[in-house]
Amino acid sequence: GEDVEQSLFLSVREGDSSVINCTYTDSSSTYLYWYKQEPGAGLQLLTYIFSNMDMKQDQRLTVLLNKKDKHLSLRIADTQTGDSAIYFCAPFSGGYNKLIFGAGTRLAVHP
Amino acid sequence: EADIYQTPRYLVIGTGKKITLECSQTMGHDKMYWYQQDPGMELHLIHYSYGVNSTEKGDLSSESTVSRIRTEHFPLTLESARPSHTSQYLCASSEYVAGRDEQFFGPGTRLTVL
Repeated sequence: GEDVEQSLFLSVREGDSSVINCTYTDSSSTYLYWYKQEPGAGLQLLTYIFSNMDMKQDQRLTVLLNKKDKHLSLRIADTQTGDSAIYFCAPFSGGYNKLIFGAGTRLAVHP
Repeated sequence: EADIYQTPRYLVIGTGKKITLECSQTMGHDKMYWYQQDPGMELHLIHYSYGVNSTEKGDLSSESTVSRIRTEHFPLTLESARPSHTSQYLCASSEYVAGRDEQFFGPGTRLTVL
């Protein structure tokens, strides 16, 4: 089956930028999502990017896509304590007609 | 804010009991999904539905069953709960908008089977 890889942990200082990386294997991914999960909660859609785009910016969030290398990243500018959560990369597989989730990156923001 | 609800939020139950996890959405979405998520792990799709009277098994084999008699309701049932069923169960629904399928998630049910 298709695979999505993310680093498990990231620790940043409040006010710095965070960069969460993701690699995927499905070349038929037509769009790719980033979801945020806070403790004890469901997943909240943060942003998405179509596979024909290189970059998308949405307020403090910047998504970069390198389709050739199948690499996706999420940059959070001016990271705040409220950004502490697990972040999931989820490409939509056109071949399997479903979202493929990575294991998530746990972001810890410290003062 | 997505209007998708799950009850109960937390459930602790003994082995062998029958349980039903409820999921409802008020957005009129045709597609609905159940995911299983273990702590620190990725989400695994266990069931999905494309509409009323449609149910399909997902990637991860599950002893649970689902039904879709009404558009807004997608309950998941375990006939005989076991400790191996201890997990978080997330329900989602989706709509097709602007060339993409957008999924909205409920808050989840954390199930513990003793």
